[in-house]
Amino acid sequence: GNSVTQMEGPVTLSEEAFLTINCTYTATGYPSLFWYVQYPGEGLQLLLKATKADDKGSNKGFEATYRKETTSFHLEKGSVQVSDSAVYFCALSQGGSEKLVFGKGMKLTVNP
Amino acid sequence: EADIYQTPRYLVIGTGKKITLECSQTMGHDKMYWYQQDPGMELHLIHYSYGVNSTEKGDLSSESTVSRIRTEHFPLTLESARPSHTSQYLCASSDAGANVLTFGAGSRLTVL
Repeated sequence: GNSVTQMEGPVTLSEEAFLTINCTYTATGYPSLFWYVQYPGEGLQLLLKATKADDKGSNKGFEATYRKETTSFHLEKGSVQVSDSAVYFCALSQGGSEKLVFGKGMKLTVNP
Repeated sequence: EADIYQTPRYLVIGTGKKITLECSQTMGHDKMYWYQQDPGMELHLIHYSYGVNSTEKGDLSSESTVSRIRTEHFPLTLESARPSHTSQYLCASSDAGANVLTFGAGSRLTVL
């Protein structure tokens, strides 16, 4: 079946540090890939997505590239801010289905 | 602004009580979902609906039940709550073919 494996935390960084959160997936065919973010006390919200190989999703300074050859969708940001403190989830959906399969989430804390 | 609303946000109840978690969305989305989020943050799909009078069980077995009598409303009910039901419950919705979920803020349930 489909699955998502992502880097587990928690991770603590200083402001302006570089961030990478690894995410790899197992799926047949060509899934759509997503990063969702959950800020403290809130529900999840879509951060970025990519629907085909070599697509790059970007939003709020975050980027992730759909790499089919390595079945990966790593999230990066060049300079994190305190406001980026949250839990980050990698997810996939397949065949036009909105039934998402989520990774286990990674909690990021950014200190000033 | 269209949104998805969950009530109550926090609930503490005793064992054996019946509870209903409410979820409403104003976006006219056909598809709605309930996810259970455990303390380790992992998300599990427990129920989903593709439209009025349509409900399906998700990937994680749950003793809760759902109903979909109106497009905008997707309540979740526990007939007899137990401490093992203590969790955060997240409701989400999506437009047909949109491939992106919009989440509510969640209902955090504690059963004593």
